[in-house]
Amino acid sequence: AQSVSQHNHHVILSEAASLELGCNYSYGGTVNLFWYVQYPGQHLQLLLKYFSGDPLVKGIKGFEAEFIKSKFSFNLRKPSVQWSDTAEYFCAVNSNSGGYQKVTFGIGTKLQVIP
Amino acid sequence: GAGVSQSPSNKVTEKGKDVELRCDPISGHTALYWYRQSLGQGLEFLIYFQGNSAPDKSGLPSDRFSAERTGGSVSTLTIQRTQQEDSAVYLCASSSGGYPNEQFFGPGTRLTVL
Repeated sequence: AQSVSQHNHHVILSEAASLELGCNYSYGGTVNLFWYVQYPGQHLQLLLKYFSGDPLVKGIKGFEAEFIKSKFSFNLRKPSVQWSDTAEYFCAVNSNSGGYQKVTFGIGTKLQVIP
Repeated sequence: GAGVSQSPSNKVTEKGKDVELRCDPISGHTALYWYRQSLGQGLEFLIYFQGNSAPDKSGLPSDRFSAERTGGSVSTLTIQRTQQEDSAVYLCASSSGGYPNEQFFGPGTRLTVL
């Protein structure tokens, strides 16, 4: 079975602090990985994605994530957070098995950035 | 272009009543997903449509939950005999259907069962 673990459920940081949110997945085959973000009062939207190629991917607003296959991880990072990064962040895994796609989301991490 | 829309945005119902939630995906998107978002539970997968077919219904929590999609477009999620534990935000997402794919989410329907 496919699963996603996000280890930090609630993170509080001061502005300019560095951020790393953990994401680990379990699946035996090829996966594609996503981070989605939900700002307060807004829809879920894509932050970044990894399909293939360079395992270090860059997304919007200065976010990046690194796919480490050996660790089944896809951690999200940002060198210096801003108050506007306050949001909930979801890691997701997309696989194609048995002829159809399966997308599994993690439980989410709420990030609060203090000015 | 128009994004994914959902209606109603809020629904308050009494325990035991049936409710219907509607999702209008982005035009041309063949894949459609329903999720449930509860406090502390993240996004719980409910059902996935490819066209009008639902190859994966594994996430529906009970037989009170059903969904259909017609014309490869609009989808309706029906919850019969609602219970208080059904209270949540129900999210719909659509994608192009290719693999891999990015999902585009709607604003959700907040369901409250009294």
